[in-house]
Amino acid sequence: YVLTQPPSVSVAPGKTARITCGGNNIGAKSVHWYQQKPGQAPVLVIFYDNDRPSGIPERFSGSNSGNTATLTISRVEAGDEADYYCQVWDSSSDHYVFGTGTTVTVL
Amino acid sequence: EVQLVESGGGLVQPGGSLRLSCAVSTFPVSDHYMSWVRQAPGTGLDWVSVIYRGGDTYYANSVKGRFTISRDNSKNTLFLQMNSLRAEDTAVYYCARGVTTSYMDVWGLGTMVAVSS
Repeated sequence: YVLTQPPSVSVAPGKTARITCGGNNIGAKSVHWYQQKPGQAPVLVIFYDNDRPSGIPERFSGSNSGNTATLTISRVEAGDEADYYCQVWDSSSDHYVFGTGTTVTVL
Repeated sequence: EVQLVESGGGLVQPGGSLRLSCAVSTFPVSDHYMSWVRQAPGTGLDWVSVIYRGGDTYYANSVKGRFTISRDNSKNTLFLQMNSLRAEDTAVYYCARGVTTSYMDVWGLGTMVAVSS
């Protein structure tokens, strides 16, 4: 199972960033998102398509339908600059699958 | 605070072996789905292996037959035995706690493995 993300997304401060994650009928799976800043471990920001762990701002939200899942970051801040990865569980192979990753740059 | 602390990384020649450890505090490793995830320099996240609560283990195709995941419940530690190492195994290796087989909610800081002659 392959998850495809755009390599990069650029956004001005205060605007909205949308990061897509494409996969065959991904809407039938649960999608999770991680944020990774340089030199740091990944941090879970969205689980089960649109749930947020405690401590993650409401500015982070997700959606999932058809062949595309989307992570939306509203009112983008400089501190949101990071790499973002989507992830699913592929039950047909008992494997976790990560997306290719998207670098978010705040202009 | 939940903590996962990896160790055991280093420089090894192609064909060599390393054993990574992930010491866990604040929760029993046997109660969770524990994974190893790696990240080669400048690239994305790459899942390596998982051990289920019941002990079942699964591996990425790229490491199957060379890597073995295990745990020591008495030491509350996760392991990854890596044999027949290749240059393409060079990466930072993270251990992570899984919530069933869905997502990973806690990650360690990682340990670097470099395979080179």
